[in-house]
Amino acid sequence: QVQLQESGPGLVKPSETLSLTCSVSGGSMSHFYWSWIRQPPGKGLEWIGCVYYTGSTNYNPSLKSRVTISVDMSKNQFSLKLSSVTAADTAVYYCARGGPPFHWFDPWGQGTLVTVSS
Amino acid sequence: QSALTQPASVSGSPGQSITISCTGTSSDVGGYNYVSWYQQHPGKAPKFMIYDVIHRPSGVSNRFSGSKSGNTASLTISGLQAEDEADYYCSSYTSSYTYVFGTGTKVTVL
Repeated sequence: QVQLQESGPGLVKPSETLSLTCSVSGGSMSHFYWSWIRQPPGKGLEWIGCVYYTGSTNYNPSLKSRVTISVDMSKNQFSLKLSSVTAADTAVYYCARGGPPFHWFDPWGQGTLVTVSS
Repeated sequence: QSALTQPASVSGSPGQSITISCTGTSSDVGGYNYVSWYQQHPGKAPKFMIYDVIHRPSGVSNRFSGSKSGNTASLTISGLQAEDEADYYCSSYTSSYTYVFGTGTKVTVL
């Protein structure tokens, strides 16, 4: 079955860019949307955005100005870049398969904690 | 977009039924039959439980059921078990081609 695994730095300095990659194994990325979702410590889930295998994207309006999500079909990966980070961006970041027309998120990666601190 | 509104906590005794509400607007919950539900145990990734309001994916217990009326979706857990103690989140597709999650509900088994 399809499995997802996040990777990237666990510590990012304020004002810098957070970069994460999600590696997809056990299946093709074709014909699906792939999403990033985050969860600040002790708080709820927030959808960040998604990318179609063709590269088309949709973003959360509240993060749109700072977010870029891209896909690399040759590596079976998709990536998240979040610029100008602050402490409020400290969260566990999850990648998941999900987006139109399958309006749910499954499966999920295990999540990776990214802390924004100098 | 504002988070969907869920009760902060719901509790019940083993064997009882509980219902978690998820209230949005006509631009999300009320406008589409695209509500999903997730169960999250501490320190774990969310688990997919319900899709398109009422459908259970393979492997999810039939003790979990979903419904919707107007702008409010609901998740009912029947025959409550100790293992059901977790946080639960709803999610909905929106008219802006985005997704929004609920505020989350902590379920306690007494």
